[in-house]
Amino acid sequence: QSALTQPASVSGSPGQSITISCTGTSSDVGGYNYVSWYQQHPGKAPKLMIYDVSKRPSGVSNRFSGSKSGNTASLTISGLQAEDEADYYCCSYAGSSTWVFGGGTKLTVL
Amino acid sequence: EVQLVESGGGLVQPGGSLRLSCAASGFTFSSYWMHWVRQAPGKGLVWVSRINSDGSSTSYADSVKGRFTISRDNAKNTLYLQMNSLRAEDTAVYYCARKGMGKDAHQFDYWGQGTLVTVSS
Repeated sequence: QSALTQPASVSGSPGQSITISCTGTSSDVGGYNYVSWYQQHPGKAPKLMIYDVSKRPSGVSNRFSGSKSGNTASLTISGLQAEDEADYYCCSYAGSSTWVFGGGTKLTVL
Repeated sequence: EVQLVESGGGLVQPGGSLRLSCAASGFTFSSYWMHWVRQAPGKGLVWVSRINSDGSSTSYADSVKGRFTISRDNAKNTLYLQMNSLRAEDTAVYYCARKGMGKDAHQFDYWGQGTLVTVSS
């Protein structure tokens, strides 16, 4: 149950696009199409942004998109806005009714 | 409106016990799997435990296996986490989270605001 690997930080200017990677193994990210992404603002609860690799819950902006290739999943945010500044976490089902999160990525909007 | 409200956190000495509760409302609690996820101060999210809809099946992260017990009371719409033999490294905000509907759903679609557990002498 090792944590998935995410970059500690990413940054971008308003209007730009950024991508956050999430690398696991064939036992989690690579083995299932059950990757989800969560946004967390300081002092707040996490919010679901993407599930099943690329699906968006109702109410989440279409500026957020997800993808996966092999053992690495990615979250892309296009048209960056100031309110996107937050921590982002990936999560994958890891089999045997267990889940594993990434270490988190701090997004700074310059 | 879906609401999850955790309670029961606080300061406890190493080796002590604590029981967390999560009161659910706004949805049919007995139809959903539920989870506990924790976050140490300044650190990332860590999955802790899950329970199926009728409470007959549970699973745990290796770090808490044998020390923590997840349970639920569907009549009271409440999820629990009994934490025993607490260690300093268990210090965290504990969130309850709802798993999406259906056996092929593996996302956490609603989260509570969390309750802080501090293990210190």
